[in-house]
Formats: sequence, C-alpha cells, structure tokens
Amino acid sequence: AQKVTQAQTEISVVEKEDVTLDCVYETRDTTYYLFWYKQPPSGELVFLIRRNSFDEQNEISGRYSWNFQKSTSSFNFTITASQVVDSAVYFCALSEVFPPVYSGAGSYQLTFGKGTKLSVIP
Amino acid sequence: EAQVTQNPRYLITVTGKKLTVTCSQNMNHEYMSWYRQDPGLGLRQIYYSMNVEVTDKGDVPEGYKVSRKEKRNFPLILESPSPNQTSLYFCASSLGAGTGIHEQYFGPGTRLTVT
Repeated sequence: AQKVTQAQTEISVVEKEDVTLDCVYETRDTTYYLFWYKQPPSGELVFLIRRNSFDEQNEISGRYSWNFQKSTSSFNFTITASQVVDSAVYFCALSEVFPPVYSGAGSYQLTFGKGTKLSVIP
Repeated sequence: EAQVTQNPRYLITVTGKKLTVTCSQNMNHEYMSWYRQDPGLGLRQIYYSMNVEVTDKGDVPEGYKVSRKEKRNFPLILESPSPNQTSLYFCASSLGAGTGIHEQYFGPGTRLTVT
C-alpha cells in the first residue's frame, strides 16, 4: 500500500528565512507520481508541482524548489526567502498507477500526507 | 472559467437523514474523486471514478455512495449520515491516466455537520 509521511506537523519561521518541508513516501511501484498542494487559510487546494518517478531532476520555480531523491524516497519542498503569503498547510501526495497503463487504460488512487502547517511571521 | 463546483458549501443535518453533495466540472475531465479532510488526518480519498459508469473505492468508502452517470457530474451520497461523517469534503477532477497522472483540480469544499 502506498503511504506518505510528512513528519513536520507545524513549522514557524520568520519572514525571509528559508524553510524546507519534508515528504517521505512508500510505494512498491516503479511508476508513480508525486505532488505538492498548498491550502491557504481561505481553504482552497492549489496545485504546486507534479513529478513522475522517472524524472529525478530538481525543479525551481521562483522562490520554490523541489528535491526528489528516489534513493531516500523523499520529495522535499523548499521555500526561499519566505513571505507571509506562504503561510498555509502544504500537502505532499503520491499516486500509483494500477493496473499498469496500456493504451490509455489504467487506474490510480491519490494518497495525501497529513500536511505541514507553515506559519511565516512578519 | 475552468472549475469544479460543489453544492452546498455548508450543510448541517441530523443523523440518518439522507443527503447528496453535488460535484460538477466543466473541463471534460475523465477522472473525478471525493476526499474528506479532518484535523490531524489530512485528506483521505473516499471514492474515485476513472470515467462514466466506472467508480472505485478509496481509503475510506464506508458510509458513502457515488455515481457517475455523466462525465461532468460526480455526486456524493450519504444514505444515513452519522456524526463521524462530520468533515470538510472536497471534490476533484483531472485528466485520465492515459498519458500519465495529472494534477487534480479541487472544488471549494463542502463543510458538513451531522448532529
């Protein structure tokens, strides 16, 4: 069964500090996808990034960066120079494909971690 | 505007009174799903649907039913709600798995209270 662990329940940082949110996953599949979502205080869920298991390149998007390491089953998320608007709950998620995808067939289930609440203090 | 809509946004009901939460998407997505969010537990998948007339259980399906008669709609049915189903519910949709698994677009959420 797939599992996602976000060990940090809550983190507080002072504005402009860098912060890393940890995500460790478990899966028996060789093909899987990882995601990060943001849930600001307003409650909506916002997609941040998708990464498939064959792409271990790190990604940077503005102040956000993601470090994917298959060897440690981790997909960590770093915010540099944090801002108050970054305050939110962040969820890491994992999706396996079962059965394997053939010519458009395939089924999948998305498993979320419990989330990390980030508070950025002015 | 591409979106996922849910209705109602807030609902207070009593134990045992059947209710339906509607979900609709206008993006022609094949995949739709329902989640519940509870403090300390994160989001847990209730049911999902790969396409019309194709549904499957997620991690916490007990006490819920779904149907997918049309591609755009995926209602969540609570035949006999109980207080432990008090939660924040999200509907989501995404493209199908044919070309890889895509990000899910979430509705605004439905806060359900069962007394």
